[in-house]
Formats: sequence, C-alpha cells, structure tokens
Amino acid sequence: DGGITQSPKYLFRKEGQNVTLSCEQNLNHDAMYWYRQDPGQGLRLIYYSQIVNDFQKGDIAEGYSVSREKKESFPLTVTSAQKNPTAFYLCASSILQGSNQPQHFGDGTRLSIL
Amino acid sequence: AQSVAQPEDQVNVAEGNPLTVKCTYSVSGNPYLFWYVQYPNRGLQFLLKYITGDNLVKGSYGFEAEFNKSQTSFHLKKPSALVSDSALYFCAVSPEGFQKLVFGTGTRLLVSP
Repeated sequence: DGGITQSPKYLFRKEGQNVTLSCEQNLNHDAMYWYRQDPGQGLRLIYYSQIVNDFQKGDIAEGYSVSREKKESFPLTVTSAQKNPTAFYLCASSILQGSNQPQHFGDGTRLSIL
Repeated sequence: AQSVAQPEDQVNVAEGNPLTVKCTYSVSGNPYLFWYVQYPNRGLQFLLKYITGDNLVKGSYGFEAEFNKSQTSFHLKKPSALVSDSALYFCAVSPEGFQKLVFGTGTRLLVSP
C-alpha cells in the first residue's frame, strides 16, 4: 500500500537535545511538507520541499532544520533552539507544488519535553 | 495574504440530522479550497476539494461542500450525520497555482446517538 510513514509515534526530548523525526513516502510524490499542530491553532507550515536537495522555510521554521537527500525521505530535526517543541508533528506529500491535488498526510509524531 | 476562518470551535448534532461546518476564506485570485478530517492521534484525511466548476462539490463518506464566491465561504455539509462522523474538521485554502495550504483552526464535530 502506498502511503506516508512517520516514526516514531511518540518522542521525548531532553533539555539541550536535538531530535530527528522521520518521514518516508512511497507515493512517488515530488513535494513534501512538515506541519506543527497545536491545540486550537490548526496546522502551521514549518518547511516544504518541491524537489530533492531543495527546500524552503515555512511560517515557523525557527528552531527546526530539514534535509531532502532522497525523493522519498524528508526528515525534520527539532533543535535545542526550539524552546517550545511540545506538539504533534505531521508530514505530508503531494504530486506537485502548484497543482490542485490534495496533500496526503502521515499519522504524526507526538513530541514531548522530559 | 490568504487566511481561513472556522468560526465554531465545536458543532453538536444528533445522529440522523443534517450537519454544517462553516468555513470562510480570504485569498487573492481564484481559490483552491479543501476539507480534511482528523481522527484522534491520526493524520489528516482528504474529504473533498473545490478547484473550479460546479459550486456544489461531493466528497468522501457522503460529505459535500458548497462554494459561494460572493460570501467567500466553503461550508461542509452532510444530509444525515453518523456517530462515526465525530472528529476534527479542517478547512484549507491556497491561491490558484500554489500548493502552500493555509489551514483553519479546526472545528470539532460531535454527533450524539
């Protein structure tokens, strides 16, 4: 079955620690996205990528970093500079940036502070 | 800049009754409009979209939405609600030609037996 796999499902971060969230898709989609979801705030875009080795900042990129070395993978690192990292993180992909096709979402990673 | 408003944090409806979840938007140019549903601890699932054409759009699980350009609205509807429809619903918009979606804050739908 084609889809998006996010791992781990739950993650805990210690003070001063960087953590990396995994996102893999086998849909052959060009574009991939990372969102942060907080209660009552909807989804906010962190980073997005249209093509391998290229990515752009979204609305709340500070304290986060990404890479896109392979078409199917778009890992997100939450750095120690992100002072309020507790949230539900969602990865998504779509056929093309600028198309009218919907984004497909993974089942998320819930990050908490220890 | 584009924006989406979902004015109701929660909508309560009895099973079998019609339901409406409201969404209004602001965008430059022609909008692409989407509805997604989220169940607890899961990702978002696509329900339906409006790109162009007929103002009434039909989607998954019996849901439909009506695009109203003059009122800049895209309300989600279903003629007969099911308990299993209880979930969090998100409206999203992007300007034509861009896939950078802007999401509303979500509306929790609670369908009582």
